[in-house]
Amino acid sequence: EPEVTQTPSHQVTQMGQEVILRCVPISNHLYFYWYRQILGQKVEFLVSFYNNEISEKSEIFDDQFSVERPDGSNFTLKIRSTKLEDSAMYFCASRPDLEKTGELFFGEGSRLTVL
Amino acid sequence: SQQGEEDPQALSIQEGENATMNCSYKTSINNLQWYRQNSGRGLVHLILIRSNEREKHSGRLRVTLDTSKKSSSLLITASRAADTASYFCATVNRDDKIIFGKGTRLHILP
Repeated sequence: EPEVTQTPSHQVTQMGQEVILRCVPISNHLYFYWYRQILGQKVEFLVSFYNNEISEKSEIFDDQFSVERPDGSNFTLKIRSTKLEDSAMYFCASRPDLEKTGELFFGEGSRLTVL
Repeated sequence: SQQGEEDPQALSIQEGENATMNCSYKTSINNLQWYRQNSGRGLVHLILIRSNEREKHSGRLRVTLDTSKKSSSLLITASRAADTASYFCATVNRDDKIIFGKGTRLHILP
């Protein structure tokens, strides 16, 4: 069964370093998302992406964050200069339909630890 | 904020009993979805209920939606140990923003 894959599963980085989290959405999906979850708490929306551009972003998604779909398969989240409070699980999700309100398919997440 | 708020935050029940979780939200929605998350894993979609629906069933799951009270409930019948997980509601508005609540941690006791 097709699935969303994320790499790395765990990354440890020093504060101030750049981090790139990678996602391969399900191949025929059109809508892509990044969420984060701090220490098993609530799942926070970061950004949604459609047709090669950001469609929505939250107040968390400031200038330190960027997303890119560099080729037909990868969807990346870049954090330019990491802060301690960026430590969290980052989940990528995708959705197939042109009817925009269907279910999301999540990856297993990338755990980011900022020291 | 449109964010759904689940209650209770945590729930422990005996295996075989029914588990009920509630979700309240603040603004109008297109649909509401429930997801499950096993510890340290990704979220898995369980069921979607549209704003013009009042009740939906899927296996041992029953979801209700009351748009006048802006609330939804998820009932898991005949609970099993494998149902131990966190359960999140997600509200979807007409602008396609999908916002998750804080979740209910469900623990099924053997």
